Amino acid sequence: DQQVKQNSPSLSVQEGRISILNCDYTNSMFDYFLWYKKYPAEGPTFLISISSIKDKNEDGRFTVFLNKSAKHLSLHIVPSQPGDSAVYFCAAVSNTGNQFYFGTGTSLTVIP
Amino acid sequence: DAGVIQSPRHEVTEMGQEVTLRCKPISGHDYLFWYRQTMMRGLELLIYFNNNVPIDDSGMPEDRFSAKMPNASFSTLKIQPSEPRDSAVYFCASSLGGRGEQFFGPGTRLTVL
Repeated sequence: DQQVKQNSPSLSVQEGRISILNCDYTNSMFDYFLWYKKYPAEGPTFLISISSIKDKNEDGRFTVFLNKSAKHLSLHIVPSQPGDSAVYFCAAVSNTGNQFYFGTGTSLTVIP
Repeated sequence: DAGVIQSPRHEVTEMGQEVTLRCKPISGHDYLFWYRQTMMRGLELLIYFNNNVPIDDSGMPEDRFSAKMPNASFSTLKIQPSEPRDSAVYFCASSLGGRGEQFFGPGTRLTVL
């Protein structure tokens, strides 16, 4: 049972425009969320996180939004750059700190 | 720090053979995770350890899979016997604290013929 879902397997965006990657979760016990970025032949690397006590966290070009009532989070990248082309995974951690789930990933392509 | 180290990077084996994947976490990290990446399920958590003790192995698909962490600087994931459907990329990750960001190794690409 997929408790963290990324329903868009792929996304293409023009350079300079906004990229929006979405993630939905089903378990209300999740209270900490992370986004990871993965290039081919490498392991995922941490990008940004958000706690459930917030609804927004910003780090440079990257902003994560959390809508707890909808059990939905999104990652905004503005402006998108060709180097952002990668697979993005969202992840969720339970409030007990002992459950970890990743989504299936969204492959982002930023077109120069 | 060299980061999380995994070996081998690539493994090709025949069905029925034993496969052992190895991981060295970042020094000082107290959590170690094993993941499998597939197209259908994304990053699937297989098992994780806290202070060398297995905490949750509910993600281990079958009894053919086993994992050990004999000390804080080494872990193995073993598949015996291997099957073609085990072909995937296996990642090891470590973190300081269970809720901290996880640092991933480069992965082991396993192909079972």
